[in-house]
Amino acid sequence: EDQVTQSPEALRLQEGESSSLNCSYTVSGLRGLFWYRQDPGKGPEFLFTLYSAGEEKEKERLKATLTKKESFLHITAPKPEDSATYLCAVQARGNEKLTFGTGTRLTIIP
Amino acid sequence: EAQVTQNPRYLITVTGKKLTVTCSQNMNHEYMSWYRQDPGLGLRQIYYSMNVEVTDKGDVPEGYKVSRKEKRNFPLILESPSPNQTSLYFCASVRGDEQYFGPGTRLTVT
Repeated sequence: EDQVTQSPEALRLQEGESSSLNCSYTVSGLRGLFWYRQDPGKGPEFLFTLYSAGEEKEKERLKATLTKKESFLHITAPKPEDSATYLCAVQARGNEKLTFGTGTRLTIIP
Repeated sequence: EAQVTQNPRYLITVTGKKLTVTCSQNMNHEYMSWYRQDPGLGLRQIYYSMNVEVTDKGDVPEGYKVSRKEKRNFPLILESPSPNQTSLYFCASVRGDEQYFGPGTRLTVT
């Protein structure tokens, strides 16, 4: 059974204080690992897809990396508008289903 | 504007009273999916559809039905709702690796 564990559950940072969110996973043949952002009262919004170990993707202050066991979402010099819940999900090869973690709630304090 | 819409956004109902949550997308996507989101459990897939008249169970299908008579619409039907179906529901439309989520429907069953 595919599993995704995200840590920490919640993280409070001062504006400009860089940090990383962790997503550990087990999957029988990874097709893709996905990062989403979810704002309160809204649906998740797609950020990145990573396909193989060593791959990295960047978008503004966010950078996602992937190893064979985990993924990190690095946030550099965050701003208050980066406050959200960040969700990680995996998809196994030959399967359309996504398995989601429970998310990390990130708060950036001005 | 590309979007996924859901109705209603909020619903309070009583045990056993049949209800339908509608989902519509304007992106001509073939793959659509329903999720429920509960605290501490993350997003879990209820049903998915790979095309018109093609639907299949996700992880938590018990108590739910779906239909896909047209490409743009994918309604979720609760024929006899129970309190354990109180949750936040999201419809998603998929193109490639990117899932576009609707705004969510918060359902309370008393």
